[in-house]
Amino acid sequence: EDQVTQSPEALRLQEGESSSLNCSYTVSGLRGLFWYRQDPGKGPEFLFTLYSAGEEKEKERLKATLTKKESFLHITAPKPEDSATYLCAAPSGGYNKLIFGAGTRLAVHP
Amino acid sequence: DSGVTQTPKHLITATGQRVTLRCSPRSGDLSVYWYQQSLDQGLQFLIQYYNGEERAKGNILERFSAQQFPDLHSELNLSSLELGDSALYFCASSPNGGVQETQYFGPGTRLLVL
Repeated sequence: EDQVTQSPEALRLQEGESSSLNCSYTVSGLRGLFWYRQDPGKGPEFLFTLYSAGEEKEKERLKATLTKKESFLHITAPKPEDSATYLCAAPSGGYNKLIFGAGTRLAVHP
Repeated sequence: DSGVTQTPKHLITATGQRVTLRCSPRSGDLSVYWYQQSLDQGLQFLIQYYNGEERAKGNILERFSAQQFPDLHSELNLSSLELGDSALYFCASSPNGGVQETQYFGPGTRLLVL
């Protein structure tokens, strides 16, 4: 059964303290690994798509990387406005139905 | 703003009732997806439509149904509502429903069943 697992569940950082979020997946024939940011009560906001092992993408303080078994979302020098839940997802079952991890709740304190 | 719109933003109703949630995809997108997000289950795929036709089904209850209309907007109908149906319901859209396409999510409808 296809599965996406994220760790840690929650992460508290001081402003400027860099860290990484993990997304491990067991998906047959991976066709993309998606990262989203979700603020409380809002819809998921698209961040990145990674398609093959070794691929990296960057946006401001965020960098996403992909290996054959997992993806990392690296946050460099985070600011309080980076506080959110970060979700990763992968298409499952030969269709574009995304299966999501439970998310990592990130809190960045000044 | 993703370009996907959903109405209403909030819905409060009673057990046993029926409600309809509405979604308009991004301009040009032909595929619409529905997801449910509850505290204990996370984001769960419900159903996908492409150009009016059902394409994929997930863990959607028989009490729930959806359709996509010729103008590409979609509606999710929830009937015989139970307390456990209280959740956030999201609609997403993508250009052609292909497996590698990015899905863009709407702001959601928060449903509370009392």
